[in-house]
Amino acid sequence: AQKVTQAQTEISVVEKEDVTLDCVYETRDTTYYLFWYKQPPSGELVFLIRRNSFDEQNEISGRYSWNFQKSTSSFNFTITASQVVDSAVYFCALSVRTGANNLFFGTGTRLTVIP
Amino acid sequence: EPEVTQTPSHQVTQMGQEVILRCVPISNHLYFYWYRQILGQKVEFLVSFYNNEISEKSEIFDDQFSVERPDGSNFTLKIRSTKLEDSAMYFCASTPGPLSYEQYFGPGTRLTVT
Repeated sequence: AQKVTQAQTEISVVEKEDVTLDCVYETRDTTYYLFWYKQPPSGELVFLIRRNSFDEQNEISGRYSWNFQKSTSSFNFTITASQVVDSAVYFCALSVRTGANNLFFGTGTRLTVIP
Repeated sequence: EPEVTQTPSHQVTQMGQEVILRCVPISNHLYFYWYRQILGQKVEFLVSFYNNEISEKSEIFDDQFSVERPDGSNFTLKIRSTKLEDSAMYFCASTPGPLSYEQYFGPGTRLTVT
């Protein structure tokens, strides 16, 4: 069975601080994909990143960076110099090769950036 | 840029009524999905659809639910007899291929059952 755990339910930071959102996953499949989605107050789900299980390289995109570590089954997301517009719920998700590519979501982390 | 669309954005219905939620996936996509998010909770997979048939469904997707692709563009979710606990945001998603592709989500339909 697949499982995604986001232990941080809510985080508040002051604008310009860095913040890391944790994600731990469980799967027995050797081929899988990990995702992060952002859900702003308007409610839509915005795709941020996809990583496959064979690529442990960290990735940076502007103020966003992701740290994938298979040894600890973690896929953490860091926002550098946070801004008020980063306030949202962030979901980590997993899909596996043996399934129909459906996503297993974590419970989300609500990030509030205080001006 | 192509996007997934969903109608209506908000549907209010009485318990026991049938509802149909509509989605138009991105035109060259082949895999379609429905997810549900009860207010304040995580997004949960309901069903996936490929080649005009259900490829996988969760335990939530019981006999009250059905999906259909009635023509070349629409993808619908029907709830036969709504219950209070069906109140949620329903998201449609599509992807061009299996596994390695990100899923593109629609804006969601908020269903309120009274």
